[in-house]
Amino acid sequence: DADVTQTPRNRITKTGKRIMLECSQTKGHDRMYWYRQDPGLGLRLIYYSFDVKDINKGEISDGYSVSRQAQAKFSLSLESAIPNQTALYFCATSDPPLGGNEQFFGPGTRLTVL
Amino acid sequence: GENVEQHPSTLSVQEGDSAVIKCTYSDSASNYFPWYKQELGKRPQLIIDIRSNVGEKKDQRIAVTLNKTAKHFSLHITETQPEDSAVYFCAASLNAGNMLTFGGGTRLMVKP
Repeated sequence: DADVTQTPRNRITKTGKRIMLECSQTKGHDRMYWYRQDPGLGLRLIYYSFDVKDINKGEISDGYSVSRQAQAKFSLSLESAIPNQTALYFCATSDPPLGGNEQFFGPGTRLTVL
Repeated sequence: GENVEQHPSTLSVQEGDSAVIKCTYSDSASNYFPWYKQELGKRPQLIIDIRSNVGEKKDQRIAVTLNKTAKHFSLHITETQPEDSAVYFCAASLNAGNMLTFGGGTRLMVKP
């Protein structure tokens, strides 16, 4: 089945380290998103991309950067990780209008910054 | 930008009872309102959505209502079952398929 995958699934790192989270999809969708989930704050949009040459900041982009290497790949980087970036990170894809309006989420990456 | 508030943050009901989760949004231009369910340790999944040209939508035991004037929308689950236990997120978007602004989530617990 076509899916959205994320690597790694869990990562523990130290303050100041550079971290990359990767997202791949076999759905053939053009649109990809990165969210972070914190308890009580729901899912907040970090960056999104509507095609390979398109990158847009979301609600909470400070401290993060992204790269859309291909239609199927969208990477999130933390250049210098800090403890308040400890969270659950989700990648998602969508493909309106033919693919419907649903956003399809990956399994998530749990990041802990010590 | 859009702001979505969701209440309550936790909700406990007895199996068979109904559950209602409410959301308000700030941007009157928003016109697409999905609801996602996230089971423990799993990824969020769409369960129902509604567009602003519709006041109510039903799918078996779940329904969503929208009041554009008051800028609020609600999720209704009837005859709740233990497998309904999860975190539910509402969201709003300017046009379906665009980026979503999510509410803070409601943890629903259905007691057998």
